[in-house]
Amino acid sequence: DIQMTQSLSSLSASVGDRVTITCRASQSISTYLNWYQQKPGKAPKLLIYGASNLQSGAPSRFSGSGSGTDFTLTISSLQPEDFATYYCQQSYSSPITFGQGTRLEIK
Amino acid sequence: QVQLVESGGGLVKPGGSLRLSCAASGFTFSDYYMNWIRQVPGKGLEWIVYISSSGGTIYYADSVKGRFTISRDNARNSLYLQMIGLRAEDTAVYYCAREKTIAARPLIDYWGQGTLVTVSS
Repeated sequence: DIQMTQSLSSLSASVGDRVTITCRASQSISTYLNWYQQKPGKAPKLLIYGASNLQSGAPSRFSGSGSGTDFTLTISSLQPEDFATYYCQQSYSSPITFGQGTRLEIK
Repeated sequence: QVQLVESGGGLVKPGGSLRLSCAASGFTFSDYYMNWIRQVPGKGLEWIVYISSSGGTIYYADSVKGRFTISRDNARNSLYLQMIGLRAEDTAVYYCAREKTIAARPLIDYWGQGTLVTVSS
């Protein structure tokens, strides 16, 4: 199975900050990398697919980049509603696997 | 709009059984692969099984193979997960999730709100 690693389990930031969350795959996954946002008590919501494609309805302040094994999710200007946990997930091969999540907290 | 509503979770003793259901609406259910994904409270996400649109292809994670059975009823727009031989480590929120295909790869694009399964004596 492909292991997905998010180097930070938590990150503190302030409203208006630019934030980058990173994810690394244990082997090359091309651009088959997706990002999800999860708020407490809610289901995950798809933000970015194919490493850099913004899901319909997701705010444009979210962007993704990377290919191969290293990926980033960037929030250009943090809004109060962005404080949540973010998961990366690979869809290159079965079984799909998730990173352990990065919790974005208010500083 | 796409809606997935899980039900059937609850408290069950180790070794017990439970059947989860997921009612789908807002899309043509029979056109999509479906998945069950679980999350231990406060922890990460674990994919456990998918079923093809027709039900003819099924793939389980090793952690549940032989104990869990996925099925679907396209006429009723419903997905099921029969769980037997439950263990404490199966305690989790279970999500029903829709899958579409992008560039020949799966993409989980919608999730239900989840149903909590607690395995405890």
